[in-house]
Amino acid sequence: NAGVTQTPKFQVLKTGQSMTLQCAQDMNHEYMSWYRQDPGMGLRLIHYSVGAGITDQGEVPNGYNVSRSTTEDFPLRLLSAAPSQTSVYFCASSYDGSSYNEQFFGPGTRLTVL
Amino acid sequence: LAKTTQPISMDSYEGQEVNITCSHNNIATNDYITWYQQFPSQGPRFIIQGYKTKVTNEVASLFIPADRKSSTLSLPRVSLSDTAVYYCLVGPRGTSGTYKYIFGTGTRLKVLA
Repeated sequence: NAGVTQTPKFQVLKTGQSMTLQCAQDMNHEYMSWYRQDPGMGLRLIHYSVGAGITDQGEVPNGYNVSRSTTEDFPLRLLSAAPSQTSVYFCASSYDGSSYNEQFFGPGTRLTVL
Repeated sequence: LAKTTQPISMDSYEGQEVNITCSHNNIATNDYITWYQQFPSQGPRFIIQGYKTKVTNEVASLFIPADRKSSTLSLPRVSLSDTAVYYCLVGPRGTSGTYKYIFGTGTRLKVLA
């Protein structure tokens, strides 16, 4: 049971480039989410999903797209990278998104946009 | 969206008990209160969760008063390895059917030798 996995661990992009951060979980969780964490700051919700085919925006969705075609995977796409998107990105999952169920976090992807 | 409020930072010495209080005035009837711990360069991990009164596990205790507008995480006899950021989380926030979890800034605990 690998839990929540994220790839890549590190990524450097140039302004304007696009890329996809991968997130997968093997716990059959319906709820998945993406957060970003800037240096010395808390986590901010980007997008979340309550099941395959269902996504919704979080606090800071601009500049990011998501889709959920399977229960296991929840990729995050940066459409046109900007230096302001330099951050650490964490993916999380929980059984159904209710506050009763704990969230499991991945190890993070550290993204630098030059 | 309503957020939780915690002290920004705390210092403690090894062997002391540490209490971190979180304010969540807008907690909903169905909300559970969950605390997470985050070490540098790692994702947060679950510590403890409760709905009301007191909960204790092998690493911490959680005290929740009757009005549930606050909660206190208690770490007994902290060690250097407890140096981390601690977040309390309630929710989700937003209209019915939404699942937006809003993390606050957390409390940065530094344990000193």
